[in-house]
Amino acid sequence: AQSVTQLGSHVSVSEGALVLLRCNYSSSVPPYLFWYVQYPNQGLQLLLKYTSAATLVKGINGFEAEFKKSETSFHLTKPSAHMSDAAEYFCAVSVQEYGNKLVFGAGTILRVKS
Amino acid sequence: NAGVTQTPKFQVLKTGQSMTLQCAQDMNHNSMYWYRQDPGMGLRLIYYSASEGTTDKGEVPNGYNVSRLNKREFSLRLESAAPSQTSVYFCASRAGQGTDTQYFGPGTRLTVL
Repeated sequence: AQSVTQLGSHVSVSEGALVLLRCNYSSSVPPYLFWYVQYPNQGLQLLLKYTSAATLVKGINGFEAEFKKSETSFHLTKPSAHMSDAAEYFCAVSVQEYGNKLVFGAGTILRVKS
Repeated sequence: NAGVTQTPKFQVLKTGQSMTLQCAQDMNHNSMYWYRQDPGMGLRLIYYSASEGTTDKGEVPNGYNVSRLNKREFSLRLESAAPSQTSVYFCASRAGQGTDTQYFGPGTRLTVL
């Protein structure tokens, strides 16, 4: 079964520092991968998605992620953290069963220190 | 264009009570989903509807039922609520083609006492 592992349930960075949120997936077929962000008491908003067109994917709010097949990774980065980036981030992979459901990682809470 | 809407936003039930969570989308999407979110577990699929007129069980369907009322609306019913069903419930929709994105509603926070 396909799965997603997010390393680090909590990540803390200083404002202006690099943000790196790690995601590894297991998949026997080429995956479709997603990063979602959830602000407190809100729904999930799509940050970016990988659909095999390009390995480096740019998303909203300055985030990007690189698909590395050899490492089965899809890490999310942002060069300079902003206070407004504080939120919970979810990595997900689309699977063909269950109507193309999303399999989610457990989430990483990003804290940005001033 | 409101996207995916859910009602209610909050609900408190007593054990054994029933309720229906409502979801609607205005994007003309074919597929709709119900997930539950629990701390440290990400989101897990309860039920889904690949197209109007069809519904199927997801990973954690026990204690729930669904109705795809029409293409826009997909409701989730708890017949006899249990404390284990305390969670945040999200509805999502997807156009239904290949790599389409799932779009999520704002969620319903349910507490069962």
